Amino acid sequence: GQQLNQSPQSMFIQEGEDVSMNCTSSSIFNTWLWYKQDPGEGPVLLIALYKAGELTSNGRLTAQFGITRKDSFLNISASIPSDVGIYFCAGPLPNFGNEKLTFGTGTRLTIIP
Amino acid sequence: EPEVTQTPSHQVTQMGQEVILRCVPISNHLYFYWYRQILGQKVEFLVSFYNNEISEKSEIFDDQFSVERPDGSNFTLKIRSTKLEDSAMYFCASSDARGGADTGELFFGEGSRLTVL
Repeated sequence: GQQLNQSPQSMFIQEGEDVSMNCTSSSIFNTWLWYKQDPGEGPVLLIALYKAGELTSNGRLTAQFGITRKDSFLNISASIPSDVGIYFCAGPLPNFGNEKLTFGTGTRLTIIP
Repeated sequence: EPEVTQTPSHQVTQMGQEVILRCVPISNHLYFYWYRQILGQKVEFLVSFYNNEISEKSEIFDDQFSVERPDGSNFTLKIRSTKLEDSAMYFCASSDARGGADTGELFFGEGSRLTVL
């Protein structure tokens, strides 16, 4: 099936460091989404990207929709303890209907005090 | 703030038993979804539901699965005869407009963990 590959799979960083993660696909997306999942909870939308090349910020988070429409990255600046969690990219695959979100494999972020 | 609520938070069941997971979507939302996350893996789409019928389903959503909106507030997922591989976290989600998945404006519940023994 369709696959969204995220890298890295996991990150261990010091508090205050910047974080960068990305998501790639063999298929074109018209929308790229970044979700965060805290332990024991459901995913929460962080940033939505709707246009190739778009760069969008939400506080310390910045995400970009790749020009090829096959990739996206998420940056977190000056990480804090509450940034811990799993970050998923996601998107609705064209030809699979608007109602189905395909999620990436996830990047687990751990912050070392 | 309105939220999607799910019950139970954790259910343990024997293989072959029927399970019903319940969800109360956000009250003015019209589109409802179930997703599944096997431990340590990605979140996977199961089914979407609108206007009292399934609008889309994945290959995971076979004949053992069914969904229902029995009244104006609840949205349920039934697994008729559970298998070991059904053990997962099941997330309900809702959105207020068609293309909720398209815009990412899905609101997820906290999940129901199903353990099949």
